[in-house]
Amino acid sequence: QSALTQPPSASGSPGQSVTISCTGTSSDVGGSNYVSWYQQHPGKAPKLMIYEVSKRPSGVPDRFSGSKSGNTASLTVSGLQAEDEADYYCTSNASSNNLVFGGGTKLTVL
Amino acid sequence: VQLVESGGGLVQPGGSLRLSCAASGFTFNAYWMTWVRQAPGKGLEWVATIWEDGSEKHYVDSVKGRFTVSRDNPKNSLYLQVNSLRADDTAVYYCARGQKNLDYWGQGTLVTVSS
Repeated sequence: QSALTQPPSASGSPGQSVTISCTGTSSDVGGSNYVSWYQQHPGKAPKLMIYEVSKRPSGVPDRFSGSKSGNTASLTVSGLQAEDEADYYCTSNASSNNLVFGGGTKLTVL
Repeated sequence: VQLVESGGGLVQPGGSLRLSCAASGFTFNAYWMTWVRQAPGKGLEWVATIWEDGSEKHYVDSVKGRFTVSRDNPKNSLYLQVNSLRADDTAVYYCARGQKNLDYWGQGTLVTVSS
């Protein structure tokens, strides 16, 4: 049950795009269609932003998109806005119905 | 949809607590439910998941044998019994709806393990 690997930080200027990666193994990310991404602002509960690799829940702006290639999933935030500054976590279904999270990426809007 | 956790607090090492999560606004017995924790300044960690009817439960290795997840569907409530607490169990504990996709989260309850 090792954590998925995310870069600790990412940044971009308003209006730019930024991509955050999430690397696992064939036992989790690579073998699962259930990769999700969560946004967490300081002191707040996480919020689901992407599920099943690339689907957006109702109410999530289409500036947020997800993809996967092999053992690495990615979250892309296009047209960065100040309110996008937050921590982002990926997660994947793993073996035996366990869930594994990434270590988190702090996104800074410059 | 609303999830409200309670039951956290300060406890000594080796102590126990029972965390609760009151659910409303959805058909509780139709969803898997999950506990996730976050140590101060750290990332999210999956703790446990329970099936809709409570018949199957899954835990992260570090809490197996010490934590027990349960639910009371008629009361729309989820529980986490935490025993043999250690300093590294100090965290905000969140309940969330679902298993693969955690689409609603509570605001969390803080458990502090310290002498």
